[in-house]
Amino acid sequence: RKEVEQDPGPFNVPEGATVAFNCTYSNSASQSFFWYRQDCRKEPKLLMSVYSSGNEDGRFTAQLNRASQYISLLIRDSKLSDSATYLCVVKDGSNYKLTFGKGTLLTVNP
Amino acid sequence: DTGVSQDPRHKITKRGQNVTFRCDPISEHNRLYWYRQTLGQGPEFLTYFQNEAQLEKSRLLSDRFSAERPKGSFSTLEIQRTEQGDSAMYLCASSSTGGRTEAFFGQGTRLTVV
Repeated sequence: RKEVEQDPGPFNVPEGATVAFNCTYSNSASQSFFWYRQDCRKEPKLLMSVYSSGNEDGRFTAQLNRASQYISLLIRDSKLSDSATYLCVVKDGSNYKLTFGKGTLLTVNP
Repeated sequence: DTGVSQDPRHKITKRGQNVTFRCDPISEHNRLYWYRQTLGQGPEFLTYFQNEAQLEKSRLLSDRFSAERPKGSFSTLEIQRTEQGDSAMYLCASSSTGGRTEAFFGQGTRLTVV
């Protein structure tokens, strides 16, 4: 089983749609969780951290279920500028190594 | 610019040559990571430093790869006897140990081995 697995994608949605990305992780000792966004041929950039209680930042909502080892990202009212690859990232609590999922490509169409 | 800086941005080299990349982390960050990314894949962990100590090295990293962070500030990644399979984007990231621990990435060095 891969350490971090994401929906394979790609996702193609119209502007204004709601889209959800799912991610599972295998290491139950993982301590911190993040979603990063990566534009084509650019570096990954932090989108948001994921907290146990769930958290929201504008149109973006992240959820964590430690029991199921599952993380999600919901984007509401999607914009053309949301088109990117979304990377699920898990940080090991003992050695602080960041493990990335393969990423899910989102294309928002006009 | 106080972000993570990588140099060079692009490198084309012939197979068998050695290459060295440099990363300057955000100044107050004591953790530094190296990752490799190929098309269609997420970043793959290579190695990690806390200050000058190299705390972990990926099992996937062959002996041709070596990284240093001699004074706990900038880091170098060297690849000896490059192979075509080494062609990838090499990403550096840094983070702090206190407060916000998110990692911030540099723009990467794109290596092409011909």
